[in-house]
Amino acid sequence: QLQLQESGPGLVKPSETLSLTCTVSGGSISDTYYYWDWIRQPPGKGLEWIGSIHYSGSTYYNPSLKSRVTISVDTSKNQFSLRLNSLTAADTAVFHCARRDKWGYMDVWGKGTTVTVSS
Amino acid sequence: DIVMTQSPDSLAVSLGERATINCKSSQSVLYNSNNRNYLAWYQQKPGQPPKLLFYWASTRESGVPDRFSGSGSGTDFTLTISSLQAEDVAVYFCQQYYSTPPTFGQGTKVEIK
Repeated sequence: QLQLQESGPGLVKPSETLSLTCTVSGGSISDTYYYWDWIRQPPGKGLEWIGSIHYSGSTYYNPSLKSRVTISVDTSKNQFSLRLNSLTAADTAVFHCARRDKWGYMDVWGKGTTVTVSS
Repeated sequence: DIVMTQSPDSLAVSLGERATINCKSSQSVLYNSNNRNYLAWYQQKPGQPPKLLFYWASTRESGVPDRFSGSGSGTDFTLTISSLQAEDVAVYFCQQYYSTPPTFGQGTKVEIK
């Protein structure tokens, strides 16, 4: 079945840029029916949607993060990626990638990767 | 943004008893043209990612036990576990997908009494 796996550094310094990749296996990222999302969860807190990409390249970002976020897709590798710049301690979180049905609910999630922003 | 507010923040229920979680949206998530509520429920167990339980407020995802049910419309929604099992200990989140950005409730922690 479809699986998503996040990868990237666990520790990033303040003011630097975070780069994460989500690898999709067991299915194609080029399925027109789905979008591919990033969601984060600060320690002990709730879920915040970061943004989304379609295999065609269309992107959608949370306005609260839009100035700092870039999401891209590489269909040849069945991967999509997140870049978040100007990091602060408030960006410390577990970052999940997820598949989102075209209507808007997330039906498959990656296990998540913990990112700590600290010097 | 649509604000999703869950209640209670936590609840402790005896095994076999009913657990009820409420979710209220700051505006209606019912789309009149198709009469669908753009509301999902997720279960998150410790150390695991969220798992989709319901979409369209009451459509059960494949594999979800039927002791779980979702109901409500407009701005008020409920997730009910009819007979709590030990494996149901988790945090439950509601999410609206009526408008961008999709937003989540703060979560409700369900424990065994």
